Amino acid sequence: KNEVEQSPQNLTAQEGEFITINCSYSVGISALHWLQQHPGGGIVSLFMLSSGKKKHGRLIATINIQEKHSSLHITASHPRDSAVYICAVFSGGGADGLTFGKGTHLIIQP
Amino acid sequence: DGGITQSPKYLFRKEGQNVTLSCEQNLNHDAMYWYRQDPGQGLRLIYYSQIVNDFQKGDIAEGYSVSREKKESFPLTVTSAQKNPTAFYLCASSIGDRADTQYFGPGTRLTVL
Repeated sequence: KNEVEQSPQNLTAQEGEFITINCSYSVGISALHWLQQHPGGGIVSLFMLSSGKKKHGRLIATINIQEKHSSLHITASHPRDSAVYICAVFSGGGADGLTFGKGTHLIIQP
Repeated sequence: DGGITQSPKYLFRKEGQNVTLSCEQNLNHDAMYWYRQDPGQGLRLIYYSQIVNDFQKGDIAEGYSVSREKKESFPLTVTSAQKNPTAFYLCASSIGDRADTQYFGPGTRLTVL
């Protein structure tokens, strides 16, 4: 079973700062997802990656397949970016195919 | 608007009672999933269904049951056999398999008293 580690667990930053959240996994994958969970509990999918880099607005996600590592960057951070960011990796079929990290709790202070 | 709905948002039950959590989607997705979220842990898969009338156990299926009689609906029953049922439950759906982007419902917070 894939082991997914996210760092940092908690991050507090000032508005405008550049934010980086990291995700490492132990077994080769076919897809990696970045999710955002707001305080109310709802989860939104931000990115699905299998290689390279994707950008959406102020969010950038990168993945290095050889190093088994992905990063989520937030440029010009804003208090509305405060949320839990979750990394999930898909490494095959069946019930054990998708493994979630524990999440990074991000707080952006005005 | 297309999406996934879960009801109720908050649910309280007495120990020993079965309870059913609702999940409905109008995205025309084939696959649906139930996850459990506990503080300090990643989401864990309870059950998933790739097509109507078919479902598979996830990592923590003991004490839970599901049905998939319609494409739009995937209810989860938390039975009295589930030892620690108090948790946040999330339903999700995707067009294809688990590698695809999943769309999540708002969740149901179950508290067993």
